[in-house]
Amino acid sequence: QSALTQPASVSGSPGQSITISCTGTSSDVGSYNLVSWYQQHPGKAPKLMIYEVSKRPSGVSNRFSGSKSGNTASLTISGLQAEDEADYYCCSYAGSSTSPFGGGTKLTVL
Amino acid sequence: QVQLQESGPGLVKPSQTLSLTCTVSGGSISSGSYYWSWIRQPAGKGLEWIGRIYTSGSTNYNPSLKSRVTISVDTSKNQFSLKLSSVTAADTAVYYCARDWGIAAAAFDPWGQGTLVTVSS
Repeated sequence: QSALTQPASVSGSPGQSITISCTGTSSDVGSYNLVSWYQQHPGKAPKLMIYEVSKRPSGVSNRFSGSKSGNTASLTISGLQAEDEADYYCCSYAGSSTSPFGGGTKLTVL
Repeated sequence: QVQLQESGPGLVKPSQTLSLTCTVSGGSISSGSYYWSWIRQPAGKGLEWIGRIYTSGSTNYNPSLKSRVTISVDTSKNQFSLKLSSVTAADTAVYYCARDWGIAAAAFDPWGQGTLVTVSS
């Protein structure tokens, strides 16, 4: 399984919106609506923010949204807040019962 | 709510076998149609899915680690375990256990707090 491709870093100012991309292939992101996103603060375990491309678990702010186009999935955070500063990882089903993660994106709130 | 907690040695010698256990509390490991996964993260790097198990004992492993990984479950203790053989320094990482929403779900929640395992002589 190959890791999914994410930008190393993105940044935005409070109140703005940012989008993090997750690029896979026609064998993973492009074939299944099974992409999830995780938020990880330093020294903490990852937290599920989005599953099945665009669904939010209970308790996750509606400022977080997900989408997909072709082989690329995206996580958008609107109304950026200081507490959103963290690392973000995508994950996709890739067939053959495997679930690779992306390399991670560091979000900086300026 | 369901909580997970990893336990095991924090230091393992090269060529030996890494062994970790994940204890599930707040619910039965056998309830629902959930799988149970191990995921690791080397310092400063990304997440790597290691493998999963269902309470029936059915397993799936990351192809890159499959030859060295064994995941087992003990439903009587509400635990599942990871064994990784022939470890090297490259296996040094924080190891997480997580509830896995299914083979074709690619969703993990909740996660344990993680445990650091260092491979060194």
